[in-house]
Amino acid sequence: DTAVSQTPKYLVTQMGNDKSIKCEQNLGHDTMYWYKQDSKKFLKIMFSYNNKELIINETVPNRFSPKSPDKAHLNLHINSLELGDSAVYFCASSQTGVSETQYFGPGTRLLVL
Amino acid sequence: QQQVKQSPQSLIVQKGGISIINCAYENTAFDYFPWYQQFPGKGPALLIAIRPDVSEKKEGRFTISFNKSAKQFSLHIMDSQPGDSATYFCAASKGGSQGNLIFGKGTKLSVKP
Repeated sequence: DTAVSQTPKYLVTQMGNDKSIKCEQNLGHDTMYWYKQDSKKFLKIMFSYNNKELIINETVPNRFSPKSPDKAHLNLHINSLELGDSAVYFCASSQTGVSETQYFGPGTRLLVL
Repeated sequence: QQQVKQSPQSLIVQKGGISIINCAYENTAFDYFPWYQQFPGKGPALLIAIRPDVSEKKEGRFTISFNKSAKQFSLHIMDSQPGDSATYFCAASKGGSQGNLIFGKGTKLSVKP
């Protein structure tokens, strides 16, 4: 059983398009996150959700919006995609709070042309 | 502003040797220091973590050494194996539900047979 899953695994799209990435966790965790990993492998948190409430909102463009239909899902919507959005996006989840172990998904490789 | 500085950027070690990766942090409020391991094409996975109430933690061949006064911590991999070849990230957080996991920039480790 996959603990944290993401779809799609690869996403190639044109500049200006709107796209979504889905994330699901079956660990029963309270908190879910989205991270961006750039071409230099730098990992930076974008959002986190705890019990369907946004608790961290980093300074990311408002073209990015997280949506959590329930505790097990945290989807990432991106509007008006730009070349600089090309990266690997990771979903993660943890129990209780940020100091607990975070379990990462396999990543979604986004390429904006 | 980088709050967790990691070095070296890359490391080549012979099989059986010791791999050492160092991290330094600035925020004295950090109270949780995990190390993550990432293989190519995969998401990061927690390797080992430490809290500042201890100076060392060992799990198998992996040891974290922590120096609170110097605000430094390091990962030691004993008897390094080719299967340890991966990118290693140190991280730090203030803990609780409102803290971020701040990652270092990563160290690419190659263990030569």
